[in-house]
Amino acid sequence: ELKVEQNPLFLSMQEGKNYTIYCDYSTTSDRLYWYRQDPGKSLESLFVLLSNGAVKQEGRLMASLDTKARLSTLHITAAVHDLSATYFCAVDISQGAQKLVFGQGTRLTINP
Amino acid sequence: SAVISQKPSRDICQRGTSLTIQCQVDSQVTMMFWYRQQPGQSLTLIATANQGSEATYESGFVIDKFPISRPNLTFSTLTVSNMSPEDSSIYLCSAGLPNSPLHFGNGTRLTVT
Repeated sequence: ELKVEQNPLFLSMQEGKNYTIYCDYSTTSDRLYWYRQDPGKSLESLFVLLSNGAVKQEGRLMASLDTKARLSTLHITAAVHDLSATYFCAVDISQGAQKLVFGQGTRLTINP
Repeated sequence: SAVISQKPSRDICQRGTSLTIQCQVDSQVTMMFWYRQQPGQSLTLIATANQGSEATYESGFVIDKFPISRPNLTFSTLTVSNMSPEDSSIYLCSAGLPNSPLHFGNGTRLTVT
């Protein structure tokens, strides 16, 4: 059975600190997506990682993909309160046809 | 990027009735999917909505309970049939093109009493 596991599931951190969210998956895939969800809202696409070694950065967020280790990371640099949200990784199990299996989500709270 | 309109945004329904959720995309897309999300939980794929043919359902979901239509490349519907309180959830439509971000509608929050 395919598993997509995020760690940690809950994260409370102070503004200005750095932290990393991990996403492990149990099947062969070279496509992984990161999404953000605010309370009561839908999902917002953050990053699309389409190959081994892919690294994408947007503002204080940076995502990477290691397909050999079946691991993706979402790194937060100098966190600010506005980044408080739930973050999901999702693995494409259909070779680009976008059939996604989601992780459990990481609920991130950034305190002033 | 595709803009997805989903309606209704919420509904309260009685046990045993059915509800049809509509999903409209502002551009032609290859892929359309329906997900379910319990509050505070992750997303579970219900089915792939195939244009012009029967939907492909994931394990645990069946056509009789969740009939899906996709008459063209921009529109799909999901019906939740013979509802029970266990069907209370958020239902999300998603759409996209290969190797591009999958975009999501705002969801339909369904409560079954």
